[in-house]
Order: sequence, then C-alpha cells, then structure tokens
Amino acid sequence: DIQMTQSPSFLSASVGDRVTINCKASQNINKYLDWYQQKLGEAPKLLIYNTNSLHTGIPSRFSGSGSGTDFTLTISSLQPEDVATYFCLQHNSGTWTFGGGTKLELK
Amino acid sequence: QVTLKESGPGILQPSQTLSLTCTFSGFSLSTYGMGVGWIRQPSGKGLEWLANIWWDDDKYYNPSLKNRLTISKDTSNNQAFLKITNVDTADTATYYCARFNYGSPPFDYWGQGVMVTVSS
Repeated sequence: DIQMTQSPSFLSASVGDRVTINCKASQNINKYLDWYQQKLGEAPKLLIYNTNSLHTGIPSRFSGSGSGTDFTLTISSLQPEDVATYFCLQHNSGTWTFGGGTKLELK
Repeated sequence: QVTLKESGPGILQPSQTLSLTCTFSGFSLSTYGMGVGWIRQPSGKGLEWLANIWWDDDKYYNPSLKNRLTISKDTSNNQAFLKITNVDTADTATYYCARFNYGSPPFDYWGQGVMVTVSS
C-alpha cells in the first residue's frame, strides 16, 4: 500500500503570505498527485491534478510541484477565502490514498 | 451538468450492513474510462478513500477494509453502490461519492455527502 504523509498538519499564516504544504509518498507515484481544498461543511474541491495542472476555475495563486515521492502545494499570496483544510491524493495505482490533511488558518 | 447525490440509512446498529447509493447525472458509467469512487470522513478528521468502480466493472478497494467492502453499479439507472459489512462505531462518518475519468482529473465532481451514524 502507498502511504501519504502530509505536513504540516496545521498552518497559521497572514493575508498575502506565501504558503506551502507538502506531501510525501512512501514510494514513487510518478506525477499522479492531486490537491483538494475542503471548507467547513462542504465537500472537497479539486484544485490541482497530476502534480501541477490547475483545475478549471481555480485561481492562479494556487500551484503544484514535485515528482516521484515529494510534492508541494503553494499558495503564492494567501487570501481570506483560502482558509480551509487541504488534502493530497495519490492515484498512481489501482488503490488510491489521501494524505492526512493540513488545516490552514489566518493569523 | 454533472451531479452526484449520496443516500443511506442515517443510523444503524453495530454488526449490521451499511448500504449506500450514489445517484448521478450528466455522465454514464457505461462510457469508456468513467468511474465512481467512495470516500468517507469521520467528523473533524481526514478523508479516507474506500473503493473505486470503473466503466468496465473493474473494482479496487482500500486494503485495510477490503474484506468488508463491496462496490457495484447499475448503469441503466445511473447509480453506484457501496456495502460495508459488520459496521461498528468507527464507521460513523460522512460518506461521499465522486466521479473520475481516464484522461481527466480524478474526483472532479463530488456529491454533498451523507452522514451515517453507527450506534447501539
């Protein structure tokens, strides 16, 4: 089974800050890593797929990078509406795995 | 327009079997490359992938739950199903279904989720 370790679990940042969230896979997952945003009481929403492809309608301040086992979600300039929990998902194999999540709050 | 909606029993007792239905529109599970997955989330906790079913009836399960899960589909009625046997309180969660498709972003559309409580 592929395990996904996401860090940090909790993050506090100010409006305008550059924010990075990391996911590490227990084995090579090539480019098959996605990022989701979940606001309180809502279903998750896809932000980035296949490491660095921005999903339709997602602001360009969101970006993804990485390869193999180490991946990063970057928010270039944090906005108040970005307060949410963020999850990574690997879909390299038939069985998929989510990371544990990062709760992002405003400082 | 793609929509998905989950339905379930709301509450059930330990050792019972949980049956969930995902009713969708805007796509077909008979279309090449299409699939539906199930994901759950205990209150205040993270997401857990449970199972996927593909258009060709290929199925994949979370290894930690595989013996208790059965995913299936009814293509003619645009529905996907998940059964979890022998539930206990740890299965209390919001259950989501979501769409995926070859060559498209995974889980690009989600249902609103259905809350399931296991309690005696």
